[in-house]
Amino acid sequence: GAGVSQSPSNKVTEKGKDVELRCDPISGHTALYWYRQSLGQGLEFLIYFQGNSAPDKSGLPSDRFSAERTGGSVSTLTIQRTQQEDSAVYLCASSFKDKSGSSLYNEQFFGPGTRLTVL
Amino acid sequence: QKEVEQDPGPLSVPEGAIVSLNCTYSNSAFQYFMWYRQYSRKGPELLMYTYSSGNKEDGRFTAQVDKSSKYISLFIRDSQPSDSATYLCAMSADNQGGKLIFGQGTELSVKP
Repeated sequence: GAGVSQSPSNKVTEKGKDVELRCDPISGHTALYWYRQSLGQGLEFLIYFQGNSAPDKSGLPSDRFSAERTGGSVSTLTIQRTQQEDSAVYLCASSFKDKSGSSLYNEQFFGPGTRLTVL
Repeated sequence: QKEVEQDPGPLSVPEGAIVSLNCTYSNSAFQYFMWYRQYSRKGPELLMYTYSSGNKEDGRFTAQVDKSSKYISLFIRDSQPSDSATYLCAMSADNQGGKLIFGQGTELSVKP
């Protein structure tokens, strides 16, 4: 079956421009996560969606970052007025959670990422 | 100080060697401990998962968790060139929605 897909795979933009990154999770997965991986850094949590609940935005680094998830499936991460420090690989992951929203085991399946370069 | 600390390496070993990868952490609420493997320009993939303390073995891989010391390890026996990748430890706590906190990742190279 299809895994998590992300587009574009690479994005080069100029400082100050807005960018949109897309994530298609695995069908049936109710939880969706965005992470950022900067050069020499581990993965940094950004935002988490679970069903119809309010997203956990605690990892977003500034108000220039926002994300939405339409219809409980596809998600878009938007970065406004990009800065050079936003250059990183943006990774999306999805997982399945039962109806209660709890899960003892939360295997997250990652997409290949979008490599963002801000000039 | 980061919640999860991991030596970034790089680590280079000859084929057949035993590899030991480690992470320390500060948050005692962590209950779920994972090791992810990431090949160049790919997304991470889950390698091992352990709940709370203890050991888990899967083929050539063994994961250990010592909650009293806040220390986790991944051992790779009979390492192969195909094991060359970055290994990331990750942890999460109950009621965190499965949000993972990652270490920096250790870059491993296994030379034939």
